Amino acid sequence: GAVVSQHPSRVICKSGTSVKIECRSLDFQATTMFWYRQFPKQSLMLMATSNEGSKATYEQGVEKDKFLINHASLTLSTLTVTSAHPEDSSFYICSAGASRSAYEQYFGPGTRLTVT
Amino acid sequence: AQSVSQHNHHVILSEAASLELGCNYSYGGTVNLFWYVQYPGQHLQLLLKYFSGDPLVKGIKGFEAEFIKSKFSFNLRKPSVQWSDTAEYFCAVRPDTGNQFYFGTGTSLTVIP
Repeated sequence: GAVVSQHPSRVICKSGTSVKIECRSLDFQATTMFWYRQFPKQSLMLMATSNEGSKATYEQGVEKDKFLINHASLTLSTLTVTSAHPEDSSFYICSAGASRSAYEQYFGPGTRLTVT
Repeated sequence: AQSVSQHNHHVILSEAASLELGCNYSYGGTVNLFWYVQYPGQHLQLLLKYFSGDPLVKGIKGFEAEFIKSKFSFNLRKPSVQWSDTAEYFCAVRPDTGNQFYFGTGTSLTVIP
């Protein structure tokens, strides 16, 4: 089956610094990748959709200058949380679709970000 | 805006009991529907999906779901739950106008042996 990895699985950073999270599709080419944020005991909130080679599309209320998304290749998308604050602490999950239609998504294991 | 509602936030059942988890969505157009499961400490896994055709879909591990278009619902069912079904269950909707998935708030299922 399709496998999506994320790195790192856990990261702790200081307030004001930036942190990059990688999402990779290991055995398929992902033309579309999605980034979600999950708060404790809550659902996944879609943050943005990234298509390879084009700018990401952000959901309403998500600051594009704070959450920088780059989808430079068909197997890699990155999310950079810039000038992180404690309220950015959360579980970030990516998913990848294997085609433009992205009828199915394959989820990564998530990255736990803690901002101190 | 599209929304997905899961009415049961936390369900506790004994083994062998039957399960039904509700999911309703608000979108007037064509949708694809999904149920995902998240076992403790693991990532989301697809249980089943509906694209078109027979509104009763069968998934893995004995789960099934029924799409009722008139009610905008896609309820998940299992006739007899097991302790290993303890997990978080998420309903998701993909409107046909784009690739975005919208998730419900999730239902935490605890099965008591």
